[in-house]
Amino acid sequence: DGGITQSPKYLFRKEGQNVTLSCEQNLNHDAMYWYRQDPGQGLRLIYYSQIVNDFQKGDIAEGYSVSREKKESFPLTVTSAQKNPTAFYLCASSYWQGGYTFGSGTRLTVV
Amino acid sequence: GESVGLHLPTLSVQEGDNSIINCAYSNSASDYFIWYKQESGKGPQFIIDIRSNMDKRQGQRVTVLLNKTVKHLSLQIAATQPGDSAVYFCAENKGGSYIPTFGRGTSLIVHP
Repeated sequence: DGGITQSPKYLFRKEGQNVTLSCEQNLNHDAMYWYRQDPGQGLRLIYYSQIVNDFQKGDIAEGYSVSREKKESFPLTVTSAQKNPTAFYLCASSYWQGGYTFGSGTRLTVV
Repeated sequence: GESVGLHLPTLSVQEGDNSIINCAYSNSASDYFIWYKQESGKGPQFIIDIRSNMDKRQGQRVTVLLNKTVKHLSLQIAATQPGDSAVYFCAENKGGSYIPTFGRGTSLIVHP
């Protein structure tokens, strides 16, 4: 079955530490996205990529970095520069102007 | 775990009732609209979509209505069940754009 897989489901980060969230899709979608979700708020776009080796900043890119070396993979690194990283992170993929397929999310907590 | 529904508008219904969830969209140039369902601690799931050349589309137990005049979208769920309890949010796409704009969502609570 095709789908989009995020790992890990739960992640704990110490102060000053970089962590990387994984996102893999086998839907042959061109575009991939990272969103941050905080309680009671809508989805906020961090980064997106429409093709391999190209990505664009979203609305809240500061403190995050991404790479798109393969069509199937779009990992997100939460750097120590992100001062409030505790949130639920969602990865998604799509064809052009198609409905998104979302992953199951990664909950990141600073300890 | 922490709920994505915290502090969202809430609709409470009894099992078996019909539910109507509303969404006001922002861009008159948007031409594609989607409803998503998100259960606590999970990723959003596609429910139904509609393009701007239609004003109504039906799925299994769900209907989406689009009123472009007032930029309003609604999701109707027939015979609501406890498993329908979740946060529902709409998304709008402007033609030519990969990136939809998501609404904040409405928390639906179904009482048995």
